[in-house]
Amino acid sequence: DAKTTQPNSMESNEEEPVHLPCNHSTISGTDYIHWYRQLPSQGPEYVIHGLTSNVNNRMASLAIAEDRKSSTLILHRATLRDAAVYYCILRGSRNAGNMLTFGGGTRLMVKP
Amino acid sequence: GAVVSQHPSRVICKSGTSVKIECRSLDFQATTMFWYRQFPKQSLMLMATSNEGSKATYEQGVEKDKFLINHASLTLSTLTVTSAHPEDSSFYICSAQEGSPYNEQFFGPGTRLTVL
Repeated sequence: DAKTTQPNSMESNEEEPVHLPCNHSTISGTDYIHWYRQLPSQGPEYVIHGLTSNVNNRMASLAIAEDRKSSTLILHRATLRDAAVYYCILRGSRNAGNMLTFGGGTRLMVKP
Repeated sequence: GAVVSQHPSRVICKSGTSVKIECRSLDFQATTMFWYRQFPKQSLMLMATSNEGSKATYEQGVEKDKFLINHASLTLSTLTVTSAHPEDSSFYICSAQEGSPYNEQFFGPGTRLTVL
């Protein structure tokens, strides 16, 4: 399975934008890039996903590099409630499409 | 968005007893449900995948006779931890998916199991 690499942790100040990077140099052409986040003592929550073009939704934006070997999750204004572990996951035909393989993720800490 | 519930949210049991955890999709029909386990400070590990009416598919290293999974309806899957031991103490999380394997997975809130 194509793997992703994320920093273990990042810090942000409240009300400021946050850019969470993810490297996936072995991504295949049919792999979608998914982002989930997990708040403390809760199940993961879907954030956003994309294939090639940048994506926006009410939670975040996803910027995908032209060669698709990396992507960045953008939280436009971090709040204390955004403190969570953010997982970047590739999902595609090689893993039967429906499996989500969670890596270590990035623990985001938001300072007031 | 779609809602998945789990019951109980936390359970404490004695070593050697069995514990059943329920996972329900509240507003959609879950053709596939997944069970994950998460130890403290670690990531989620997939334990098994179950399709309604079929036997579950277990990941390597997960004992099917210890972790019994039943997916008898399109809205309910259960995980029974049989003869639980302290090393089974963990956070158990289910997710549910409707239809196509490429559809989104929706996660439950998790069940914290503590085995004394």
